[in-house]
Amino acid sequence: SQQGEEDPQALSIQEGENATMNCSYKTSINNLQWYRQNSGRGLVHLILIRSNEREKHSGRLRVTLDTSKKSSSLLITASRAADTASYFCATDGNSGGSNYKLTFGKGTLLTVNP
Amino acid sequence: KAGVTQTPRYLIKTRGQQVTLSCSPISGHRSVSWYQQTPGQGLQFLFEYFSETQRNKGNFPGRFSGRQFSNSRSEMNVSTLELGDSALYLCASSAGTLVESPLHFGNGTRLTVT
Repeated sequence: SQQGEEDPQALSIQEGENATMNCSYKTSINNLQWYRQNSGRGLVHLILIRSNEREKHSGRLRVTLDTSKKSSSLLITASRAADTASYFCATDGNSGGSNYKLTFGKGTLLTVNP
Repeated sequence: KAGVTQTPRYLIKTRGQQVTLSCSPISGHRSVSWYQQTPGQGLQFLFEYFSETQRNKGNFPGRFSGRQFSNSRSEMNVSTLELGDSALYLCASSAGTLVESPLHFGNGTRLTVT
């Protein structure tokens, strides 16, 4: 079963606009990660936020984490056509470090129109 | 550093056959994970290896197996292929022993079963 669920499933915006994607998960976590996937290729790690962090920035990316609501959001500012991709959140679950897998949501397909 | 390399890139097999996929992790990475990606189920965890030991396994039938060699290279095998095994198989390596380090993905092997 999916641990993380992204919302919306698809998002279409114009270049220069901001894009916000949300992720909800079910069980407690050690960390939450966001990945990007261009069509037919592997996933690329974007950012990792730990359960004791509330916000993290990396370039044009801003991630927030609300563990009380079991949710996270990914904001991409000043989007570019090259940002067109699927975005996934992934959680590790919280099993005392004995869980060596990430559980991915089904992703948000972001389309940035030039 | 070279990235994660998966071979072959594309594969077409017939029902009932078996297939072996190969993954070479980033140099120095000792953890290798495998994921199956399909449009319907999304990314599903198959298994994870560290120092030639399988540390975690997903909910897949015994037809799916894997192994890791002393140089950290990994292979996964699927026997008695079914149409539903058609998917993108992704390998990822990680520098950390726990799921606190990001995963570095290869571009995958696209398996088509006819």
